[in-house]
Formats: sequence, C-alpha cells, structure tokens
Amino acid sequence: AQSVTQLGSHVSVSEGALVLLRCNYSSSVPPYLFWYVQYPNQGLQLLLKYTTGATLVKGINGFEAEFKKSETSFHLTKPSAHMSDAAEYFCAVSGANSKLTFGKGITLSVRP
Amino acid sequence: DVKVTQSSRYLVKRTGEKVFLECVQDMDHENMFWYRQDPGLGLRLIYFSYDVKMKEKGDIPEGYSVSREKKERFSLILESASTNQTSMYLCASSGVRGRLDTQYFGPGTRLTVL
Repeated sequence: AQSVTQLGSHVSVSEGALVLLRCNYSSSVPPYLFWYVQYPNQGLQLLLKYTTGATLVKGINGFEAEFKKSETSFHLTKPSAHMSDAAEYFCAVSGANSKLTFGKGITLSVRP
Repeated sequence: DVKVTQSSRYLVKRTGEKVFLECVQDMDHENMFWYRQDPGLGLRLIYFSYDVKMKEKGDIPEGYSVSREKKERFSLILESASTNQTSMYLCASSGVRGRLDTQYFGPGTRLTVL
C-alpha cells in the first residue's frame, strides 16, 4: 500500500524567498512520485515527476524536487517565490495499476 | 496537448436527484479516473477504468457508479444525490493500461447538493 504525508496545511513566504514544501511517502514498491499544482478554480497541473534515474528532478516554473530514498522524501523547492506561485500543491505516489495516492495538499501563500 | 473536459464547472442539484457528471479526453488514453476533492482531505479516488466497459472501485465508491461505453468518455453517476456528496469532482486520464504514467486532469465540477 502507498501513502503520502504532507505536514501542515498552509505555508506562507515572502516574494523572493525560498519555497520548501515537504512530502514523505510510503510505498511497498519502487515509487513513482509526482507534484501537482492547483490554481484557484482549476484542475491539477503536473509540476514534475520522478520515475527512475536522476534523483533531482526539475519541473515547470522553476520548481525542483529531490528523491531521497533513505529518507522516503520528495520535497519540492523553488529558490525564489513569485506571487504567481500562490496555489495548492499536492504530492502523489504511484501504486499498482496506474493509481495515484495523493497527500492532503498544502496551500502556498506569497506575501508581497 | 492532452485535453480533459468535464461537462459542467458548477452544478446544483436537490437531494434524491440522479446526477450525471461527464468526462471526455482526446488523447486516446486507456485509463480514466474519478476523484472527489474536499478541503483537508486531498483527492480521493472514487472509481477508475482501464478500458471500455471496465470499471474498478477506488477508495470511496459508496453512493457512486460509473459508465464507460466509449474509450474517450467516462461518466460518474450519483444514483440519489445526498448533501454529503457536495464536493469538487475531478476527472483524470492517463495513457496505457496498467502502466505508471502521468495523469492529466480536467478543470473539475463543483457540485452542490441542497
């Protein structure tokens, strides 16, 4: 079985500050890991994914995430937050048969 | 670009009504999924389908059914809507049956049951 933990429900940063959104997972098989972003009143959009190979994954809008097997983590970072990054972010882990298990999501606010 | 469309963005129904939510994808994907999204609970899988006329229960199938008569279309049915089914419903699709792949999401339908 798979599970995802995203600690906290809300993160607030200043514009230009580092963004760090944490994700820990549990998986009985080698995981595929995903970060999705949801802007208000929209569906989910893929930010980045880890399947195999390089553990540092770069995504859209300057985001990246590092797969750390020993820590069962896949934290999302961006060096400098922009106002347009304000959204809800979901971490997900793959299971059998193409199914995804999502975390509860975390809302990112960006202060001017 | 993959496009997943949902028939309505907002829907208001009465308790006891039969409700149909439609989802269409244009990328010839084999896998299709229905989720509901509630604050603080993230996305929870209701049903999914690997092929036409195939369906499998997800984590919270109670009170829902699905239909997949054509490959590109996946319908979610609330046989008798209840107020606790007020939620955001998201449809997704992904490529090849049984293969781990990116899921592409529609814009969602916000359903209110009065």
